Amino acid sequence: NAGVTQTPKFRVLKTGQSMTLLCAQDMNHEYMYWYRQDPGMGLRLIHYSVGEGTTAKGEVPDGYNVSRLKKQNFLLGLESAAPSQTSVYFCASSQGPGLFTGELFFGEGSRLTVL
Amino acid sequence: RKEVEQDPGPFNVPEGATVAFNCTYSNSASQSFFWYRQDCRKEPKLLMSVYSSGNEDGRFTAQLNRASQYISLLIRDSKLSDSATYLCVVNTGNTGKLIFGQGTTLQVKP
Repeated sequence: NAGVTQTPKFRVLKTGQSMTLLCAQDMNHEYMYWYRQDPGMGLRLIHYSVGEGTTAKGEVPDGYNVSRLKKQNFLLGLESAAPSQTSVYFCASSQGPGLFTGELFFGEGSRLTVL
Repeated sequence: RKEVEQDPGPFNVPEGATVAFNCTYSNSASQSFFWYRQDCRKEPKLLMSVYSSGNEDGRFTAQLNRASQYISLLIRDSKLSDSATYLCVVNTGNTGKLIFGQGTTLQVKP
């Protein structure tokens, strides 16, 4: 019953370093999402994917890149981390078109601090 | 202006009270609407979908007003366990692109 798994759960970076957050889901979901959550800001959509090999920009895509080479995985990359990217990152997945109910299944979150 | 806006609160209410939250959205093409609940330091979870005719799930009632572009959530007979942040979520097209409001915090006190 893994559901959506995010790795790592915690990471501290220095400004300018790069890193990749991995999201894996075992529910055969078409849609996958990356959100960030900051105090008082709610969840903001960074990028999302509606299927293997596809990605699209969300509300706050700058400074991030994503890839969806396999249906079950959605990677979020930070090429040159900035303190403004200190946040909690949530990955989520959902059923695709025709089956979409609006229910997102979230991972437990990844807490990233950029010094 | 954010696509989905909520009053962040906090709303502090006694047990047994009725409380209502509103949410407005800017994209008139938005097609589907949801309320999520998030407990402190946890991931959000779907509370209920919002249907055009309004819908109820136990003590929770959701309403949609497309003309005014707002969604509401009513909680009756509040319990201590209802204390959480309630997030309004809008599907801005038929694309699976879900936009969250900033959330409204509810504290139910004994």
